[in-house]
Amino acid sequence: GQQVMQIPQYQHVQEGEDFTTYCNSSTTLSNIQWYKQRPGGHPVFLIQLVKSGEVKKQKRLTFQFGEAKKNSSLHITATQTTDVGTYFCGSVTTDSWGKLQFGAGTQVVVTP
Amino acid sequence: EAEVAQSPRYKITEKSQAVAFWCDPISGHATLYWYRQILGQGPELLVQFQDESVVDDSQLPKDRFSAERLKGVDSTLKIQPAELGDSAMYLCASSLSGIAEAFFGQGTRLTVV
Repeated sequence: GQQVMQIPQYQHVQEGEDFTTYCNSSTTLSNIQWYKQRPGGHPVFLIQLVKSGEVKKQKRLTFQFGEAKKNSSLHITATQTTDVGTYFCGSVTTDSWGKLQFGAGTQVVVTP
Repeated sequence: EAEVAQSPRYKITEKSQAVAFWCDPISGHATLYWYRQILGQGPELLVQFQDESVVDDSQLPKDRFSAERLKGVDSTLKIQPAELGDSAMYLCASSLSGIAEAFFGQGTRLTVV
């Protein structure tokens, strides 16, 4: 089954507003990856976080990995209609082969 | 830009029939994943290969599903017999290693009638 929990499941955002989606694990992770899936499309890699407390930015997107390496967040500022889609966090286990498992995702709908 | 190739894109089959999906990963990628994604849910890992070896198939319904990657390159996922509940998107992904970013194919949309 899926190793990580994502909240919220749905996010309705007014264009221009900010929002945050969270990813929580009960176990320590080797790394966390974030993917975006547009409606009708396939997941596309956004970013990978490896270090405890790591913060990475991609334009309006800010990704953070928790100090205990058990949770992560994605914060989007000034949401645009192009941000529509489902955002998944992918957890990579600490075992030898690094099994990549996904949360249920946060579906983002943007209202103009 | 290199892509993960999957075929067919769409497949309609009757229940109790056999169905197979094919995936060609990005050249040089040792790790290959098969996921099943039901509409509105996250991808569920079915099987993970490292080269030609299965390293995880804990979520694969082995009574009806099988997967192989004989030469450590392309892979086939088979369902026999198909059931109505197997209707889903089947996604293949590959990566350089199990901890690197994964690249997904466009998937095969399976409908079992």
